[in-house]
Amino acid sequence: GAGVSQSPRYKVAKRGQDVALRCDPISGHVSLFWYQQALGQGPEFLTYFQNEAQLDKSGLPSDRFFAERPEGSVSTLKIQRTQQEDSAVYLCASTHLSGGNTGELFFGEGSRLTVL
Amino acid sequence: DQQVKQNSPSLSVQEGRISILNCDYTNSMFDYFLWYKKYPAEGPTFLISISSIKDKNEDGRFTVFLNKSAKHLSLHIVPSQPGDSAVYFCAASDRRDDKIIFGKGTRLHILP
Repeated sequence: GAGVSQSPRYKVAKRGQDVALRCDPISGHVSLFWYQQALGQGPEFLTYFQNEAQLDKSGLPSDRFFAERPEGSVSTLKIQRTQQEDSAVYLCASTHLSGGNTGELFFGEGSRLTVL
Repeated sequence: DQQVKQNSPSLSVQEGRISILNCDYTNSMFDYFLWYKKYPAEGPTFLISISSIKDKNEDGRFTVFLNKSAKHLSLHIVPSQPGDSAVYFCAASDRRDDKIIFGKGTRLHILP
């Protein structure tokens, strides 16, 4: 597709379940970002990949959060033992630039996670 | 500790008038600033940006102004149109870093 694709769009999980969120960036985009957007808040940085290398994971809120991009294309954000505070929209973004700080990011529609 | 602040959660403007959205930042190392627009159930989309070496950037109906001494930027939309109703996020980055920091957003309502 032409844009960033995320799946699932909506996920309901029981507290304690593991979830996996997928991101298909725009083809050829070097950089990939994950952001978390809680209700009424702006997107909060989670982690950044340049190709397959995870260069910054300083925003991951706990060791229950794990992200990978093994072939430098599709990325998966995994949340283990979900908690209610993990409920949020998880946004994936990509750019053809190395790093996001000099150009626009292209965002997907997000995956809305609700933890009951 | 919010580095990018949008102090107005919402703003209502009459169609055809000017919309002014404000943003303040605290990190003096920020050197690149962006505005994103977001419709419900969609991801944010890039609107306009400005480098710290400039104080104004214009793109059609959208103009961003940067006041570095005040650590303040604003987005002007003239004239405002119904399709401009959305949430607007101010964002900033430090070129030494790799991430963009977002504010909480301002919801703009364009009134008929």
